[in-house]
Formats: sequence, structure tokens, C-alpha cells
Amino acid sequence: QVQLQESGPGLVKPSQTLSLTCTVSGGSISSGAYYWSWIRQNPGKGLEWIGYISDSGSTYYNPSLESRVTISQDTSKKQFSLRLSSVTVADTAVYYCARSASGPPGNFQHWGQGTLVTVSS
Amino acid sequence: DIQMTQSPSSLSASVGDRVTITCQASQDISKYLSWYQQKPGKAPKLLIYDAINLETGVPSRFSGSGLGTHFTFTISSLQPEDIATYYCQHYDNLPPYTFGQGTKLDIK
Repeated sequence: QVQLQESGPGLVKPSQTLSLTCTVSGGSISSGAYYWSWIRQNPGKGLEWIGYISDSGSTYYNPSLESRVTISQDTSKKQFSLRLSSVTVADTAVYYCARSASGPPGNFQHWGQGTLVTVSS
Repeated sequence: DIQMTQSPSSLSASVGDRVTITCQASQDISKYLSWYQQKPGKAPKLLIYDAINLETGVPSRFSGSGLGTHFTFTISSLQPEDIATYYCQHYDNLPPYTFGQGTKLDIK
């Protein structure tokens, strides 16, 4: 059974870059069948899809965040990562990594437990 | 972006009741809709995909229906462990994938 675990700083200063890593166990991230997403949740805006990276390394970002987001992968470490630049307090949220089911990229079958990131000086 | 309008935003029901939540998409999304259950402090859990298909291991009292723009999620007989917030989400061809605002379900 695939498992995902987010890691990274819980506190980021305004204008800095938020960096999170998702480590995958119980499966490959380069099998060619899946998409790996970042999703965030804050009380004000509910659940928001940030973007995905495919097993082959292609990416797609939410246009609302596209100018600030980079998702990358390290297949040797079975990890994929999120970088969100120029953060503000509005980026305070629980950040989840997720894997799609086989098929459409946006059907989130497996989720990490989530990690709270607070943007504050 | 496709907007997902979910109703009601909160719901109180008794154990054994039939519970229904609706989700309306702002444009045709075919069958590409999922339903998730989220308990406090936990990640969302996939219950239904492709509008009608039950995810493996999910109890059969949960079901989904609909196609196009109008979708329904039903719990046939509410159990105490079903207390949670439920979300719909589209995954039509064109991202961004968007979620409904959630329905918080509790026991009357």
C-alpha cells in the first residue's frame, strides 16, 4: 500500500520561499501511471489544488499560483517537492501531498497526513 | 475555472437516517467527480470516484450518482463513525481541479 509523508519547516517568514518534500513508500514514483499533487487547506478558502508532477516529470500548476510554484521530483529518493515563493499570510495552510489513481490526474486516491505551514514574521 | 457548488453547508441527522448531499458543477464535467470524507485533523479520504464508483474498502452504505453538472452523494443509513465533513471535487480534462466548499455532517 502506497504511503506519503510530507516534511518541511512549519514556519516561514513573509516574502520567503516555502519548501516541502513528500516521501513515498510502498510504490515507485516513476512507473509511468500516476500523478503526484500538492493540495492545501486553509479555513478561509477550503481545499485548493496547487499542481501536479507526472511520473515522467511533466508539471501542471493552478493558474492562481503558477507564477510562484515549482514542483519537482527526485525519483532516486522517491520524493517530490513543492516550492512556493514570495509567501504571505494567505499561504498559511495545511499542505497535503497526494497521488492520483491510475487514469485521470486529478482523482486523489492516496494522501499524506498533511503538514501545517504558518507564514509569520 | 469550474466552480463546484455543494449543499447544504451543514447537516444534522440521526443514526439510521438517509443523508443526501448535492454538488453542482458550473459546466459539464461528464462523470469526473469524486467525493471525499474528512475527519478532524485528518487528510481527506476518497470514497467515490467517477461519480458512481465506490472506492475499495468503503462501506456500501455510501453511494454517488449524477452526470454532467448535477451530482448526489448519499449515505443510506447514517452511522456514528460517519460524522465528518464531505467534499465533492471535479477532475475534468482541464485543471485546475476544484473542490466544493464542504458539508459538515453531525449527529442530531
